[in-house]
Amino acid sequence: DTGVSQDPRHKITKRGQNVTFRCDPISEHNRLYWYRQTLGQGPEFLTYFQNEAQLEKSRLLSDRFSAERPKGSFSTLEIQRTEQGDSAMYLCASSPFGISRNYGYTFGSGTRLTVV
Amino acid sequence: TQLLEQSPQFLSIQEGENLTVYCNSSSVFSSLQWYRQEPGEGPVLLVTVVTGGEVKKLKRLTFQFGDARKDSSLHITAAQPGDTGLYLCAGSVGTGNQFYFGTGTSLTVIP
Repeated sequence: DTGVSQDPRHKITKRGQNVTFRCDPISEHNRLYWYRQTLGQGPEFLTYFQNEAQLEKSRLLSDRFSAERPKGSFSTLEIQRTEQGDSAMYLCASSPFGISRNYGYTFGSGTRLTVV
Repeated sequence: TQLLEQSPQFLSIQEGENLTVYCNSSSVFSSLQWYRQEPGEGPVLLVTVVTGGEVKKLKRLTFQFGDARKDSSLHITAAQPGDTGLYLCAGSVGTGNQFYFGTGTSLTVIP
């Protein structure tokens, strides 16, 4: 297991199209997070899973966004009817179960989305 | 509203110089982390601090958590071009199910 894997690395889509991103976390990690990062800013929290349960969602996650982690392993993030404002780097991170404050995230390399 | 503010936002220094980056908030954090991010990649964890007043060293990097657990600093001694990147602080509140990231400090070390 070499780390958190995200696919694709880059995605260019036309406004109004749907896109789906995949994240494969470190296999022993129960927790999985999605963040969004725009240029020159720090990552912003989108949502968080513990195993297959989605425990928290940010206000940033409009009804056009949906995330799943069906078997508690990989996760998908779907954006419907994309808008230009959705252009950003989408980062996935995982961490082991336990007292979260003692563990850092392991991030993937991200998916760079460009909506034209 | 950004929970964590970092300063400076941009920093460009010559190789060999020392520098300090600050991370401030009005909130109390149960733990605070520092990450470094290179262009086109995800952030990489450098350190976690959990106790007020805690100091951790990682080679030329020294991290300090404020006594009140509301702020932190990162000091780099004798900066090298390989230190170039975006430095991010991230804090967890309460039970820490998620981390809130700061605005980031973009560091460029000129050879």
